Amino acid sequence: GDSVTQMEGPVTLSEEAFLTINCTYTATGYPSLFWYVQYPGEGLQLLLKATKADDKGSNKGFEATYRKETTSFHLEKGSVQVSDSAVYFCALSGVGRRALTFGSGTRLQVQP
Amino acid sequence: DTEVTQTPKHLVMGMTNKKSLKCEQHMGHRAMYWYKQKAKKPPELMFVYSYEKLSINESVPSRFSPECPNSSLLNLHLHALQPEDSALYLCASSLTRQETQYFGPGTRLLVL
Repeated sequence: GDSVTQMEGPVTLSEEAFLTINCTYTATGYPSLFWYVQYPGEGLQLLLKATKADDKGSNKGFEATYRKETTSFHLEKGSVQVSDSAVYFCALSGVGRRALTFGSGTRLQVQP
Repeated sequence: DTEVTQTPKHLVMGMTNKKSLKCEQHMGHRAMYWYKQKAKKPPELMFVYSYEKLSINESVPSRFSPECPNSSLLNLHLHALQPEDSALYLCASSLTRQETQYFGPGTRLLVL
């Protein structure tokens, strides 16, 4: 079945540092890939998405590229802010679009 | 506009109570979802409605009863819950099941 693997957290960075959160997936066919963010005490917000190989999703300075050859969708940001502290979930929507398959989530803590 | 609203924001109930969670969207989405999220875990799918018909029930206990009275509204009726049912309950919607899901802020439920 489909699965998503994310790097273990928490990830602790200083403000203005470069961020990478790794995400790899296993799925048949060509899934759509997503990053969702969950701020403390809130629901999930769609951060970005990509629906086909080599697509780059971007939003609020975050980027991720759909890499079919490495089955990856790593999240990056050039300069993080304290306000980026949250839990980030990588997810896929597979063939048949039964439902979202989520990774375990990565907690990001940004220190001033 | 990608807003999904949920009420109430917080709910405390005893094991013999009956309560309902409400979810609403006015984006014309025809698929709606209930997820359960425990602390430090990703959301787990409970139910999917497509065109007001239940299309997926992830073997959820009968003490959770979903209802979709119209295309904009999704309810989750709760009865005789257990303390382990305490969690954040998230609603999501998408244009169709093949499209991107947008989440509400959630209802934080505590069962005493």
